[in-house]
Amino acid sequence: GEDVEQSLFLSVREGDSSVINCTYTDSSSTYLYWYKQEPGAGLQLLTYIFSNMDMKQDQRLTVLLNKKDKHLSLRIADTQTGDSAIYFCADYHLQGGKLIFGQGTELSVKP
Amino acid sequence: SQTIHQWPATLVQPVGSPLSLECTVEGTSNPNLYWYRQAAGRGLQLLFYSVGIGQISSEVPQNLSASRPQDRQFILSSKKLLLSDSGFYLCAWTLASTDTQYFGPGTRLTVL
Repeated sequence: GEDVEQSLFLSVREGDSSVINCTYTDSSSTYLYWYKQEPGAGLQLLTYIFSNMDMKQDQRLTVLLNKKDKHLSLRIADTQTGDSAIYFCADYHLQGGKLIFGQGTELSVKP
Repeated sequence: SQTIHQWPATLVQPVGSPLSLECTVEGTSNPNLYWYRQAAGRGLQLLFYSVGIGQISSEVPQNLSASRPQDRQFILSSKKLLLSDSGFYLCAWTLASTDTQYFGPGTRLTVL
């Protein structure tokens, strides 16, 4: 079936790098997404990667995709307190035409 | 540029009362529109999606319904709210030719 899994919590110190991991099961995935949700707010699109790529970099964000292992990661360099939020991985299923979300990883950045 | 609005931002309703949540998109035509619910457990559940006026697909049978009276308007309704309808309701849109979904600010619904 369709499943996207993430660890629920991650805590880092300000200035360190954060790595948030995600695994998915569907082999027909076309795009994979990372969204950020701050408390009480909607989901903000951070970045996405097409399934035929293995890396994408956008300023402090680096996305790595291992298609063989169906593993996606989001690395945030020089993590700041403003990066504290819940990060959702999402997988677009071509057959179903919908996004499947993970449960979200709550990132806590300590000063 | 495109923007998405949701109304109201927060709502407290008694059990058994009706519900109407509104989502509107500006700056685009013929978007695909989605309603999600995010319960306290954090996960996102797709409730309804629409590819055009009057076209609604339901993902999960429940106490809610959706309508799309205009191209850029998506309404989530209920005739009688249940306690279990409490949650954070998110609307999203995407262009039919792409997969990337953009989310609105959400509506926090509390049913007492």
